[in-house]
Amino acid sequence: NAGVTQTPKFQVLKTGQSMTLQCAQDMNHNSMYWYRQDPGMGLRLIYYSASEGTTDKGEVPNGYNVSRLNKREFSLRLESAAPSQTSVYFCASSSSAGGIDTQYFGPGTRLTVL
Amino acid sequence: GENVEQHPSTLSVQEGDSAVIKCTYSDSASNYFPWYKQELGKRPQLIIDIRSNVGEKKDQRIAVTLNKTAKHFSLHITETQPEDSAVYFCAASKGDMGRRALTFGSGTRLQVQP
Repeated sequence: NAGVTQTPKFQVLKTGQSMTLQCAQDMNHNSMYWYRQDPGMGLRLIYYSASEGTTDKGEVPNGYNVSRLNKREFSLRLESAAPSQTSVYFCASSSSAGGIDTQYFGPGTRLTVL
Repeated sequence: GENVEQHPSTLSVQEGDSAVIKCTYSDSASNYFPWYKQELGKRPQLIIDIRSNVGEKKDQRIAVTLNKTAKHFSLHITETQPEDSAVYFCAASKGDMGRRALTFGSGTRLQVQP
């Protein structure tokens, strides 16, 4: 199993450009999450999806949209990138199966907005 | 919303000593408290977690304690080794298993001196 995968690994955008970050998991998890991590800080939740077809806002949703394409895939879109969105973006997934509640993280996407 | 504060921000110990990291949370409804370890440039990985129905949990050299009344929880690492050097994050969440929106602390950089 690959676990949680993210593409791309690195991206540089100019202010105002748009892009979509892709995330996929092969663990049959119901829930998926997008977090951002700024230098020297903890992770902050952007959006999450508790099941296919549902999405909910997290702590910092402004400037982002998400799509839960199917059970495996959860994408994050920046419609008009701003320098304040320079960050490392982590996708995660989790399941309650077997009483285990762990969120498994992907390797991250390092995004720079100039 | 939930607010999680973590102390200290940096911690340096000698190999073999113990390390303690403390977190406080604000929402009394929070019921799940994981700890993540993040090595430089890597993804966060769960090292231990605790639910609100227990006061302590141990896993080899790592233990977590929870005081619901005071709304604080702590990570204890005994017999520290150089490979324990990393950034450690606490987090808190309420809600159901498998669909948790985590609120993270700001992290503690632990350095274990050989």
